[in-house]
Amino acid sequence: QTVVTQEPSLTVSPGGTVTLTCASSTGAVTSGYYPNWFQQKPGQTPRALIYSTNNKHSWTPARFSGSLLGGKAALTLSGVQPEDEADYYCLLFHGGAQPWVFGGGTKLTVL
Amino acid sequence: EVQLVESGGGFVQPGGSLRLSCAASGLTFSSHWMSWVRQAPGKGLEWVANINEDGSQKYYVDSVKGRFTISRDNAKDSLYLQMNSLRAEDTAMYYCVKDTNWNYNYWGQGTLVTVSS
Repeated sequence: QTVVTQEPSLTVSPGGTVTLTCASSTGAVTSGYYPNWFQQKPGQTPRALIYSTNNKHSWTPARFSGSLLGGKAALTLSGVQPEDEADYYCLLFHGGAQPWVFGGGTKLTVL
Repeated sequence: EVQLVESGGGFVQPGGSLRLSCAASGLTFSSHWMSWVRQAPGKGLEWVANINEDGSQKYYVDSVKGRFTISRDNAKDSLYLQMNSLRAEDTAMYYCVKDTNWNYNYWGQGTLVTVSS
C-alpha cells in the first residue's frame, strides 16, 4: 500500500518562509507524480493551490510556489501571512489500479 | 464559472446503501475526468475514485472496491457514487472534484454521509 508522508505540523512567524514536503513510499517524487497542493481552513472546502509540481491557479497568491526538493514534492510559502494558517495537503499520482494518494496533511501555524 | 453541487448524503445504518450525485455546470462536463474525495470528521483527505470522460475507465481506493461504483451521465452533466455495504468508517464528507490533466482544480462543497446504528 502506497503511503504519502507530510510533516504533521509546522510553525512559522509572520513574514517568514516555510517549506512543506511530500514524500512517497514508492521512491523519489518526480514530475511524473504530478504533485498537487491544497489548502484547507477549518470548516471550509479544500482549495487548490498548485498542480503538476509548480503550476499555479489563477487564484493562487504569488507567495506560494511548488517544486521538487531532495526527492520530494515541496510547497514553499514566502512572506507568510496570518491568513495562511491552515491545513495543507499534497496529492500524488502513482498510476496503476489506485492512481492517486493524498498525504496526511500538514497543520501550519503562523505564530 | 465552474460549479459542482453534491447531493444525496445522509444518515444510514451499517450495511445500507446511498447514492451520491454531483451536478456540474460551467464546464464541458463530457471532456473531463471526475473524482470523488472524502474526509472523515477531523481527519485528512482520502482519494476515493475517479472516472474518465466517457465512463470506460474507473479506479477505486482499495477500501471501497467491490462496494462503491462511480458512474456518470454526460447527457445530464452529472457524476454519481453508488455506495453499498456501508461501514462506520465510510462516515465522511464526500467531495466531487474535477480532475483534468492531473489537475484537481475545482471542488464541490461536499455532502455528508453518516453511517451509524
